[in-house]
Amino acid sequence: DSGVTQTPKHLITATGQRVTLRCSPRSGDLSVYWYQQSLDQGLQFLIQYYNGEERAKGNILERFSAQQFPDLHSELNLSSLELGDSALYFCASSSRASGTSGPQETQYFGPGTRLLVL
Amino acid sequence: SQQGEEDPQALSIQEGENATMNCSYKTSINNLQWYRQNSGRGLVHLILIRSNEREKHSGRLRVTLDTSKKSSSLLITASRAADTASYFCATAVGSGGYNKLIFGAGTRLAVHP
Repeated sequence: DSGVTQTPKHLITATGQRVTLRCSPRSGDLSVYWYQQSLDQGLQFLIQYYNGEERAKGNILERFSAQQFPDLHSELNLSSLELGDSALYFCASSSRASGTSGPQETQYFGPGTRLLVL
Repeated sequence: SQQGEEDPQALSIQEGENATMNCSYKTSINNLQWYRQNSGRGLVHLILIRSNEREKHSGRLRVTLDTSKKSSSLLITASRAADTASYFCATAVGSGGYNKLIFGAGTRLAVHP
């Protein structure tokens, strides 16, 4: 158990709908990351938040958005869903760990939310 | 596109044998991490090797990193059926205190009793 929790575990919805995925980081971790895992694209970084602020963006679609709340939990909002959005969505958290060769934090992953768009 | 490429895509061995997986990447990194994933479940962190390190051990795991060749390898010694999983390398790139992880496509390892 990594200490990162994600809800719901499974989500089945229809095209055009909007869903919200929730993530609670490990106690004390200020940084939250979202990743998408699909059969055709593999594991891809979507977005990172640190203490409520967006820090880095990856291959995140404009239909997707995220935020991190004052209690540090994060939500990933997916709207106008398409069949191709079906995937496993992972949240990860980390605490800061610096090193002479750059940031060295370990990211701990939650169990994921499996989204199926029909 | 993904930074890392892993080789082989799939590996099938008998219990007790060693398993070696390779990972290549394209850009400068802060560190490289290996993760395990059991059958579509969560990712479990195995080991992190910094860009200024060449080799690291953790239990039955041995990781090497060659930054001149932009490659890494993961060796699992004396494999067990419970090691059956997909293994991913992830390169950590970033600045300002935090990394984003760029994952390879993974190696599917099957260990037969």
